[in-house]
Amino acid sequence: AQSVTQLGSHVSVSEGALVLLRCNYSSSVPPYLFWYVQYPNQGLQLLLKYTTGATLVKGINGFEAEFKKSETSFHLTKPSAHMSDAAEYFCAVSSGAGSYQLTFGKGTKLSVIP
Amino acid sequence: DVKVTQSSRYLVKRTGEKVFLECVQDMDHENMFWYRQDPGLGLRLIYFSYDVKMKEKGDIPEGYSVSREKKERFSLILESASTNQTSMYLCASRSSGTSGNEQFFGPGTRLTVL
Repeated sequence: AQSVTQLGSHVSVSEGALVLLRCNYSSSVPPYLFWYVQYPNQGLQLLLKYTTGATLVKGINGFEAEFKKSETSFHLTKPSAHMSDAAEYFCAVSSGAGSYQLTFGKGTKLSVIP
Repeated sequence: DVKVTQSSRYLVKRTGEKVFLECVQDMDHENMFWYRQDPGLGLRLIYFSYDVKMKEKGDIPEGYSVSREKKERFSLILESASTNQTSMYLCASRSSGTSGNEQFFGPGTRLTVL
């Protein structure tokens, strides 16, 4: 069985500050890892994903995440927060190629303070 | 671009009514999913379908059923709606040939059961 833990249900940062959203996973097989973003009253949109290869993954809107196998982590970062980054962020894990299902974390709501 | 559409953005029903939520995708994806999203609980998988007429229970199937008669359409049915089924319902689709297992989401249906 796989699981995802997102530390902090709510994170606040000042505009221009570093954004760091934490995600730890457990998986019995090499995982595929995803970050999704949800703006108010919308569905989820893929930010970035890790499957194989380079462990530092770049996504849309200036976000990136690093897969660290030894720490079972996949934290999401952005060097400088923008007001438009205010949203809810979900980390998800699947158990590799051919797996149908994603297991989602409970989400982290990001607030950006002007 | 993949497009996943859901029949209603907002729906209000009464306890005991039969409720149909429709989802259509336009990218010929084999796999389709229904989730419910509740504050603090993240996304929980209700049912998924890996191909036409195929379905499997997810983590919380009780009180729900599904139908997949055509590849592009996946319906979620609440046989007798109850107030504890008030939630946001999200549909997603995925190509089984995609090694990264990425899911594409619709905009969601916010269901209120009175």
